[in-house]
Amino acid sequence: DTEVTQTPKHLVMGMTNKKSLKCEQHMGHRAMYWYKQKAKKPPELMFVYSYEKLSINESVPSRFSPECPNSSLLNLHLHALQPEDSALYLCASSQQRTTDTQYFGPGTRLTVL
Amino acid sequence: AQKVTQAQTEISVVEKEDVTLDCVYETRDTTYYLFWYKQPPSGELVFLIRRNSFDEQNEISGRYSWNFQKSTSSFNFTITASQVVDSAVYFCALSENSGGSNYKLTFGKGTLLTVNP
Repeated sequence: DTEVTQTPKHLVMGMTNKKSLKCEQHMGHRAMYWYKQKAKKPPELMFVYSYEKLSINESVPSRFSPECPNSSLLNLHLHALQPEDSALYLCASSQQRTTDTQYFGPGTRLTVL
Repeated sequence: AQKVTQAQTEISVVEKEDVTLDCVYETRDTTYYLFWYKQPPSGELVFLIRRNSFDEQNEISGRYSWNFQKSTSSFNFTITASQVVDSAVYFCALSENSGGSNYKLTFGKGTLLTVNP
């Protein structure tokens, strides 16, 4: 089973709202990732968690705040977003190392008004 | 500098045709990993293949085949007898060391494949 789930599927929020994206995997993977994908572009890495510790932050603005409460869960907290942050947010996980195959969830399509 | 180049932005074929998607990569690492992912209109990225830099064997999986050539830094993907369900964006990706023990996956810009009935 290579399933990564993400909720919600769609999210519309105002620039003053606070919301969270959730990602879950039950494959025993120890590395988890957040990517941002704009229309007709490839995914761009935002954050990497390895063994529940943040290992890579790709200079992402502080209005995006990741959290890894345990080895199965990854959250992305959103606050004071801009309309240009509207995108598909993809979560992925891999077995242990960041060289292992990443398996992606279906994504959350975010619209910021 | 672009690390992964997918020169074909869009390809359109008729069902049952064979089609090859090109991928050229650039890296200074001796150890690296190459991937292909499929992204249908639903949005989910579906893993197709992973290849490490020490394994130059070509691979076939059903109608899919991959040709890895280190001499030309290419990792091309061929779909034989294409079907409408193959319509998607295909991404080639390179995983290379980004510092310490961390590796980062860098995607090409993707090739939109449309298979017409």
